Amino acid sequence: AQSVAQPEDQVNVAEGNPLTVKCTYSVSGNPYLFWYVQYPNRGLQFLLKYITGDNLVKGSYGFEAEFNKSQTSFHLKKPSALVSDSALYFCAVRDVHSGNTPLVFGKGTRLSVIA
Amino acid sequence: DTGVSQDPRHKITKRGQNVTFRCDPISEHNRLYWYRQTLGQGPEFLTYFQNEAQLEKSRLLSDRFSAERPKGSFSTLEIQRTEQGDSAMYLCASSLVGRGVTGELFFGEGSRLTVL
Repeated sequence: AQSVAQPEDQVNVAEGNPLTVKCTYSVSGNPYLFWYVQYPNRGLQFLLKYITGDNLVKGSYGFEAEFNKSQTSFHLKKPSALVSDSALYFCAVRDVHSGNTPLVFGKGTRLSVIA
Repeated sequence: DTGVSQDPRHKITKRGQNVTFRCDPISEHNRLYWYRQTLGQGPEFLTYFQNEAQLEKSRLLSDRFSAERPKGSFSTLEIQRTEQGDSAMYLCASSLVGRGVTGELFFGEGSRLTVL
């Protein structure tokens, strides 16, 4: 079975500082990994994905994520946080070899960027 | 707007009533998913369709829930005899899956159900 863990319910960071939102995953084979962001009363918006290749993936709004196979992690990062980045962030995984298995999401991490 | 659209955005109903949600996916997408999200939780998979075929249903989908996707276009999710525990945000997503396509999900804005 595949699963995702987001160990932090809440991350607080000052505007202009770097931010990291953590994600670890478990799959039996190789993973497809995704990050989504959700603003209040809205659906989820796709940020970035890791499929194969370069371990550092760049996505929307200046976000990037680093795939680390040995640590089974896919942490979301941004060099300089903005107040407008405050939202709920979800990591999701799918096993590459699972065929039609849907994405499994973590519980989410609430990011609060303080001016 | 060519994104995923859901209707209604909000629904308040009394326990025991039936409700139906509609989802219109991105037109060229062949897969359509339904997820449920409760407060403080990530989206939980309910069911998905490839074109008009319902390929998988979660054990979360009790027999009071039914989903359809006639003609492989829009989809409906019906909940019969609603219970207070059904109160949640119901999210629809679509994706394009095929050779060389990784199939990330594109979500609608969700339909929030409140059962009184």
